[in-house]
Parts: sequence; structure tokens; C-alpha cells
Amino acid sequence: AQSVTQLDSHVSVSEGTPVLLRCNYSSSYSPSLFWYVQHPNKGLQLLLKYTSAATLVKGINGFEAEFKKSETSFHLTKPSAHMSDAAEYFCVVPGGKLIFGQGTELSVKP
Amino acid sequence: GAGVSQSPRYKVAKRGQDVALRCDPISGHVSLFWYQQALGQGPEFLTYFQNEAQLDKSGLPSDRFFAERPEGSVSTLKIQRTQQEDSAVYLCASSLLRGLGQPQHFGDGTRLSIL
Repeated sequence: AQSVTQLDSHVSVSEGTPVLLRCNYSSSYSPSLFWYVQHPNKGLQLLLKYTSAATLVKGINGFEAEFKKSETSFHLTKPSAHMSDAAEYFCVVPGGKLIFGQGTELSVKP
Repeated sequence: GAGVSQSPRYKVAKRGQDVALRCDPISGHVSLFWYQQALGQGPEFLTYFQNEAQLDKSGLPSDRFFAERPEGSVSTLKIQRTQQEDSAVYLCASSLLRGLGQPQHFGDGTRLSIL
């Protein structure tokens, strides 16, 4: 069975500093993986997706993620946080259906 | 273009009442999904439609939950004899392609509160 584990339930950064949101996956083969963002009282928006074409994936709003098979990781990064990045982030694996991680709440301090 | 639209945005009902939640997917999207999101949790899959056919309803928590998409576009999620544990945000998503594993476009959800 496929699954994802988000290692931090909450991350707090200062505006202008780097963001790292960690995700590990469990799969018997190289899966597809997605990152979604959810702003308060809003639905989920696709940030980026990995589908085995390239291990470094660039998404919207300056986010990117690197697929590392040796570490079974798909961490989400951004060089410089903006206040508008404050939201809930979900790592997702399609395993017959979309399987969501528990989410990481990102806070950005001015 | 218009995204996925859900109505109502908020619904308050008394325990035991029936509720109906509506989803208007993106025009032309073949696949439609319903999810339940409890407070502080990730969305949990409820059911999946390909056009008008309900191909997977394995996530529906009980027989009080019923979903339909009779003409392959608008979908309704109905919950009968609501219970307090049904309180959650119900998200609808659609996808242009068939299949459960494609990236999906989400609506803003319906926040259901059962008193």
C-alpha cells in the first residue's frame, strides 16, 4: 500500500527566509507525487507534481520539490517565504485514489 | 474560466435532519470526486464518478451517505439522518481525465455543522 508521511505538523519561518516542508513516501515502486496548498476556508490548489520525467520539479509561486528515491522523500522548498505563503500544505500520492498526508501548517512571521 | 463550484458554502443542521450538498464541476471534466475533511486533517476520499457512473464508493462512511451525478455533470452528496460526527468540510474535485490518480481541481468546500 502507498502512503505519505509529513514529518512536521507545523513550520514557522520569517518572511524572506527559506521554506522546507518535509514529506516521505512509502511505495513499492516510484510513484507519482503531488503537493497541494490550502488557504483558510478554501479548496486545495495543485502546487506541483512529480511524474518521473525529472526529479526536480518546479511549481507555482516559486515552490519546487525534489524526488529522492534513495531517501524516499519529496520535500517542498522555496528560497524566500512570503506572507501570502501562510497556508496548509499537503503531500499527496495517487495510490488507486489520492492519499493525503496529514498536512503541514506553514506560518510566516513578518 | 469557472472553477469547481460548491453550494452552500456553510450549512448548519440539527441532528437527524437530511442535507444535500451540491457540486458543479469544471465544464467537460469527466471525473468527479467527493472528500470529507475533518478539522485539522487531510481530505479523506468518499466517492468517485466517471461521467454519470459511480465507479468507487468505498469511502462512504455509512449507508446514510449517498451521492449521484445523473447527467454526468452536477453532483449531489446527500446525508440522511445526520449525526454530529458528520460535521466536517466536504470537498468536491473534478479532473479532465479518467482515473483516480490524476491531479484534481478542488472547490472551496461546504462546511457542515451538525448541532
